[in-house]
Amino acid sequence: GESVGLHLPTLSVQEGDNSIINCAYSNSASDYFIWYKQESGKGPQFIIDIRSNMDKRQGQRVTVLLNKTVKHLSLQIAATQPGDSAVYFCAENWNTGRRALTFGSGTRLQVQP
Amino acid sequence: NAGVTQTPKFQVLKTGQSMTLQCAQDMNHNSMYWYRQDPGMGLRLIYYSASEGTTDKGEVPNGYNVSRLNKREFSLRLESAAPSQTSVYFCASSEAEGADVGGYTFGSGTRLTVV
Repeated sequence: GESVGLHLPTLSVQEGDNSIINCAYSNSASDYFIWYKQESGKGPQFIIDIRSNMDKRQGQRVTVLLNKTVKHLSLQIAATQPGDSAVYFCAENWNTGRRALTFGSGTRLQVQP
Repeated sequence: NAGVTQTPKFQVLKTGQSMTLQCAQDMNHNSMYWYRQDPGMGLRLIYYSASEGTTDKGEVPNGYNVSRLNKREFSLRLESAAPSQTSVYFCASSEAEGADVGGYTFGSGTRLTVV
C-alpha cells in the first residue's frame, strides 16, 4: 500500500547550522501533513502541520515545505541546537476512509556541539 | 497536568498471557488511537476510535482488541500475547473527528516485552 517514507535515516549537523529533513509521500489523496519530534523514551511531540492547499508554513525556528508536484515534504530547522537532537517523523492524513495519520519511519537528527 | 496518561509504563509477559493497556485523556478530545512502534520504525496504527462509541481497525489489528469505555478512556487488550507483540505502545488523542484529524497528543508509551 501507499506509505510515507524518508530519504535519510540519520542526519548529523553542527550546532548553529540549519537542518533540513526530507520526506517523500506516495498517496496523492493525502490532504494534511504533520511533523513530529520524538526524544528518547518519550512519545512523539507535535512540531508543525500543513494542509495540502498550502506550500509553506512557518513556526518558531521551523518551516515546513510541501511540494505536491513531486510529493515531497521537508522540515527546516534554523540555528539547530543540541535540544533539537531527536527522531523526526512526518505523518500524512489520507483524504479517504481511515481517519488517522500514517507515519513515516523517521530520521534521527544528531546535533554536534 | 493535562494530557494523555498510559499505564503501565513497562510490562513483561509470558507467551499466551493476556493483559490490558490503559489510556486516559483529560482534554475532552473526541478521537483516540493506539499505535505500536518497533525499533527503528515509525508508528503503525492498531485501532482507533473516532468518537465515543465507535472503534475501527488500523493497519495491524490482529491479536488486539479495544474498548472505548467512555470519552476519556480507550483500552487495548492482548488476549494471548506473542513475542511478535513485543513493542512500545503509544496512545494518542485529538480534538477532531472525521477527515480533519488535527494534531495528536501522545502518551509517554508502554514498553511491552513478551518472552
